[in-house]
Amino acid sequence: AQSVTQPDIHITVSEGASLELRCNYSYGATPYLFWYVQSPGQGLQLLLKYFSGDTLVQGIKGFEAEFKRSQSSFNLRKPSVHWSDAAEYFCAVGAVADTGGFKTIFGAGTRLFVKA
Amino acid sequence: EAQVTQNPRYLITVTGKKLTVTCSQNMNHEYMSWYRQDPGLGLRQIYYSMNVEVTDKGDVPEGYKVSRKEKRNFPLILESPSPNQTSLYFCASSLSGHLTDTQYFGPGTRLTVL
Repeated sequence: AQSVTQPDIHITVSEGASLELRCNYSYGATPYLFWYVQSPGQGLQLLLKYFSGDTLVQGIKGFEAEFKRSQSSFNLRKPSVHWSDAAEYFCAVGAVADTGGFKTIFGAGTRLFVKA
Repeated sequence: EAQVTQNPRYLITVTGKKLTVTCSQNMNHEYMSWYRQDPGLGLRQIYYSMNVEVTDKGDVPEGYKVSRKEKRNFPLILESPSPNQTSLYFCASSLSGHLTDTQYFGPGTRLTVL
């Protein structure tokens, strides 16, 4: 069965420091991978997505993610974190549903705290 | 402005009292979906719709109903709410529902069932 694991429930990073959020997925076919961000009281916003091609994907707000098939991972990175990056981050995989439609499976999320 | 709207944003109700959460999008998207978000579980799909009059169950459909009579609207119906349906609900839409499409999320509806 398809699944997404985000090993870190929460992470605290100092402002200006680098960030890496981990994501591991389980999916038999070529995965469609996504990272979303949820700011407090807001809906989810897409940061970036990967379907094929270059395994290093650039997204909005200075984020990037690297797809590593051998490790079944799709980790999110940012070289220098800003206080406004404090939010919850969700990794997700797109999959074909049993009914033939498409669905998105989300990880449990990682909450990022940024300290001054 | 392209957006997905949900109403109400906050709702407190009692067990067994039928309720409807509305969702509307103004992007002419074919695909719409409902998720619930619970701590430690992320978002789980309740129902989705590939187009008008076409709906399918997601991973946690029990206790919910949906309808898609118009392209822009996708209401979520709880016929007899129970406390275990207390959650944060999100509606989302995308152009066609293909895996490559970007999903656009509403602001969420926080539901409490007493």
